[in-house]
Amino acid sequence: EVQLVQSGAEVKKPGESLKISCKGSGYSFTSYWIGWVRQMPGKGLEWMGVIYPGDSDTRYSPSFQGQVTISADKSLSTAYLQWSSLKASDTAMYYCARKEGSSWGQGTLVTVSS
Amino acid sequence: DIVMTQTPLSLSVTPGQPASISCKSSQSLLHSNGKTYLYWCLQKPGQPPQLLIYEVSNRFSGVPDRFSGSGSGTDFTLKISRVEAEDVGVYYCMQSIQLPGSFGQGTKLEIK
Repeated sequence: EVQLVQSGAEVKKPGESLKISCKGSGYSFTSYWIGWVRQMPGKGLEWMGVIYPGDSDTRYSPSFQGQVTISADKSLSTAYLQWSSLKASDTAMYYCARKEGSSWGQGTLVTVSS
Repeated sequence: DIVMTQTPLSLSVTPGQPASISCKSSQSLLHSNGKTYLYWCLQKPGQPPQLLIYEVSNRFSGVPDRFSGSGSGTDFTLKISRVEAEDVGVYYCMQSIQLPGSFGQGTKLEIK
């Protein structure tokens, strides 16, 4: 069974850094694009970017380019989403998902508040 | 960027009645390999999204046959032949021909 399991909820202050994770199992992690989707409170879904773990090819949505970093560790079958300096506007639910939407993580709630 | 536009943005349907959602893309989703990279997902309240339809018209594993997808190029439709109470949530179309992909605004389905 294909599974994506995300790290737990985070509460951070503006300006702090953060890295959240998504561990894949039940499939060849290096052979499928995997990415991150943002859902702000009460809003729709937005693709932030995707990575191909086999060669680390990474594509960002223009809205998120330079704002976040997506990476993957093949040896751990884990993808990451990180921020160097969080803002209050980064408060949202973040999902990892395979590019074609066939599998989704359970979501990581990130709250940024002073 | 490929912009995905869904209509309507909300639907209220009596159980047992049909429902239909339209999705239009700003560019063709037909790849040179012959596949069309259009998907439909449903996000039930309080849950992550789940895949319903892939590549326009293929039902994903476990999806009831009352769900069907059709279309080509830039115009696509999701149909529910007989709406049930468990179908409530927000439906999204999604493209992945241009990475990282993009979603429509979502269509909220409620039961009358």
